[in-house]
Amino acid sequence: DTGVSQDPRHKITKRGQNVTFRCDPISEHNRLYWYRQTLGQGPEFLTYFQNEAQLEKSRLLSDRFSAERPKGSFSTLEIQRTEQGDSAMYLCALKDRLGYEQYFGPGTRLTVT
Amino acid sequence: GNSVTQMEGPVTLSEEAFLTINCTYTATGYPSLFWYVQYPGEGLQLLLKATKADDKGSNKGFEATYRKETTSFHLEKGSVQVSDSAVYFCALQEGNYGGSQGNLIFGKGTKLSVKP
Repeated sequence: DTGVSQDPRHKITKRGQNVTFRCDPISEHNRLYWYRQTLGQGPEFLTYFQNEAQLEKSRLLSDRFSAERPKGSFSTLEIQRTEQGDSAMYLCALKDRLGYEQYFGPGTRLTVT
Repeated sequence: GNSVTQMEGPVTLSEEAFLTINCTYTATGYPSLFWYVQYPGEGLQLLLKATKADDKGSNKGFEATYRKETTSFHLEKGSVQVSDSAVYFCALQEGNYGGSQGNLIFGKGTKLSVKP
């Protein structure tokens, strides 16, 4: 148990639809990260939060993507007007302020048809 | 920019064989280095880490030494088991000075298959 749950685990949607994923830390963690992993590749950083503040966004995070962490606990990642290229595993990870390690959730696998 | 390069797979070994998965990195400053493992159908798990030069990370019989002079962090295990079959990812985290956000940069992963 990594202390992170993600919902849903799988999502199939049609191109052009909006989707929202949720990440729930089981315990409090200062930093929360979102990554995207496509088939055969390592995870790529999308964005991160320190408490409720979104402090960094990668160039991968187009205007169609938005993320929130309203109370500094759970986080949501929304993709508007999905495209086939958005098909990937979306991973949430937690990190303590003082620690080095990041602990990953099981991910949400998105398939855009 | 910072990057991680690891040997391409797949790697197929017989049980009890010696394993080496090469990983080299490019980074400014003093990154921390990690190996993560992804077993079939499961999420990413931290396998081991090293936070400064010459540190050796170890876990479950796996070891990796942070070599700053060769910018490497090769993963080794003396005797692999069928249960070690998984995808292994090398990753770096930028150093914490200079306001780094601490996100991980991953290699592409190396798939290991161990045959009985």
